[in-house]
Amino acid sequence: EAGVAQSPRYKIIEKRQSVAFWCNPISGHATLYWYQQILGQGPKLLIQFQNNGVVDDSQLPKDRFSAERLKGVDSTLKIQPAKLEDSAVYLCASSSLAGAGYEQYFGPGTRLTVT
Amino acid sequence: DQQVKQNSPSLSVQEGRISILNCDYTNSMFDYFLWYKKYPAEGPTFLISISSIKDKNEDGRFTVFLNKSAKHLSLHIVPSQPGDSAVYFCAASGGGSARQLTFGSGTQLTVLP
Repeated sequence: EAGVAQSPRYKIIEKRQSVAFWCNPISGHATLYWYQQILGQGPKLLIQFQNNGVVDDSQLPKDRFSAERLKGVDSTLKIQPAKLEDSAVYLCASSSLAGAGYEQYFGPGTRLTVT
Repeated sequence: DQQVKQNSPSLSVQEGRISILNCDYTNSMFDYFLWYKKYPAEGPTFLISISSIKDKNEDGRFTVFLNKSAKHLSLHIVPSQPGDSAVYFCAASGGGSARQLTFGSGTQLTVLP
């Protein structure tokens, strides 16, 4: 079974530029998550989708971050414009359903450096 | 406000000995706890979990203990192997239908040969 795929793996941009990340979850997984992991910290949830609907985006900085999951499969996360503090690893995860016992499977992440 | 805390950023253990990683939480609504392991340049991978109705869960060399009164859980690895060297994250979920995970900051475990 193929795991969660993410691209690109690494991205370096200057502040005020825009960037987009792509995620392809495990086939059949209804729930998709985007996390931000800053160096030395644990992953922090940005947004959770159930199929193509948003379940929770309370921690997404909506003035600069946006995410979509068209057709309930692939998802993209965009930052526009980027700030220095956005430098982090962006992790995508998926699970068959949301809830206890439905473990989340993580992709390898995209390491973003904003200069 | 850190609801899940891992106070030891790093731990070194000799191969064959026991590794004990600790985690504390503050939110009484948490009722499901997980440990994830992360190697460099990879995403976290699920290791073991425990429901709040239990106080122990075992899977091979890995055992998780939960002390609800102290709001404390620990992961025991016996015996420790060099391949166990990784960052270990404690995570918790509970309350609400979405049941998102709240992660601790991680502990870097190094198993010395």
